[in-house]
Amino acid sequence: GEDVEQSLFLSVREGDSSVINCTYTDSSSTYLYWYKQEPGAGLQLLTYIFSNMDMKQDQRLTVLLNKKDKHLSLRIADTQTGDSAIYFCAESSGSSASKIIFGSGTRLSIRP
Amino acid sequence: DTEVTQTPKHLVMGMTNKKSLKCEQHMGHRAMYWYKQKAKKPPELMFVYSYEKLSINESVPSRFSPECPNSSLLNLHLHALQPEDSALYLCASSQVWGPNTGELFFGEGSRLTVL
Repeated sequence: GEDVEQSLFLSVREGDSSVINCTYTDSSSTYLYWYKQEPGAGLQLLTYIFSNMDMKQDQRLTVLLNKKDKHLSLRIADTQTGDSAIYFCAESSGSSASKIIFGSGTRLSIRP
Repeated sequence: DTEVTQTPKHLVMGMTNKKSLKCEQHMGHRAMYWYKQKAKKPPELMFVYSYEKLSINESVPSRFSPECPNSSLLNLHLHALQPEDSALYLCASSQVWGPNTGELFFGEGSRLTVL
């Protein structure tokens, strides 16, 4: 079945890069997503990558996909205090009964 | 308009009450979703509506009853809930639902407390 795993916490110094990692199991996944959730709010899509791509860059965000190892990462350059949030990796199942499956979320905290 | 609007933002109800959560989008999306999120956990899918028809019910107890009156509206009717049903209920929409579902747009959620 589908499963998406992430580490629970990450702490980085303001101005450094943050790298959040994710592993998934469904090799038929078509889309892989990164969502951000700030306290008390809904989820906001940050970026997504098609499964036939290796990398996608969008301003401070870089997504790397290793399809062989089913490993996805999100790099945030020049991390700011406003980046403090929970980051969810998610996959869109390639099966006909399509579901978007979320990982457990990584809480990113920024220290001065 | 790229918003998904949920009301109410907060709801407190007793175990014998009947209440409803409402969700609205005007992006022309034909797929709408209800997710449940407990504290410090990821969202869990409850229901998917595609073209106003229920496509997925993730074995949700019947005390939760979804309704999709039209392509812009999604309701979740609540009756005889339990304290463990207290959670953040998130509505989402996407252009379509299927093997290549793209971006989900989420509302801010309705925080439900069952006493």
